[in-house]
Amino acid sequence: EDQVTQSPEALRLQEGESSSLNCSYTVSGLRGLFWYRQDPGKGPEFLFTLYSAGEEKEKERLKATLTKKESFLHITAPKPEDSATYLCAVQAGTSYDKVIFGPGTSLSVIP
Amino acid sequence: NAGVTQTPKFQVLKTGQSMTLQCAQDMNHEYMSWYRQDPGMGLRLIHYSVGAGITDQGEVPNGYNVSRSTTEDFPLRLLSAAPSQTSVYFCASRFRDRSSYEQYFGPGTRLTVT
Repeated sequence: EDQVTQSPEALRLQEGESSSLNCSYTVSGLRGLFWYRQDPGKGPEFLFTLYSAGEEKEKERLKATLTKKESFLHITAPKPEDSATYLCAVQAGTSYDKVIFGPGTSLSVIP
Repeated sequence: NAGVTQTPKFQVLKTGQSMTLQCAQDMNHEYMSWYRQDPGMGLRLIHYSVGAGITDQGEVPNGYNVSRSTTEDFPLRLLSAAPSQTSVYFCASRFRDRSSYEQYFGPGTRLTVT
């Protein structure tokens, strides 16, 4: 069964304290892995798409990496405005339009 | 561009009532979809459409109907609301081109069924 898990469920960081969020997946035929950011009361906002193992993408203080079994979202020197829930999703299998989301990691950055 | 818009933002229904959640996008996206988001669970796909006149079921379609008469609009109908349908509903859209899977989400509709 296709599945996406994320860890930790919640993470509290001091401002400037770098860390990583994990997204593990078991799917047949990965077509793409996505990271989204979701602020409270709002819809998810697209961050990155990764297509193959070894690929990396960066945006400001965020860097996403992909291996054959998992993806990491590295946050370097986070600021309070980075506080949000980060969602991981995969496009998988033979169904072109099937996207599976993980439950998310809630990140709080304390000043 | 307004992007993806959803109405209403909040709704309270009684068990057995029906209603339609509205979704519209102005980006000429072929692909539109509806998700529900529940605490501790990922977004789950309800229904999706790859173009006007074409719809298909997602992971949790029971109790919901959709139609796609235009490229811009993709309404979600609750036929007979149940407490299990209490959730936050998101509409999303993207181009169908396989070179980009970037989805744009609406602000959501928070639905409570009593």
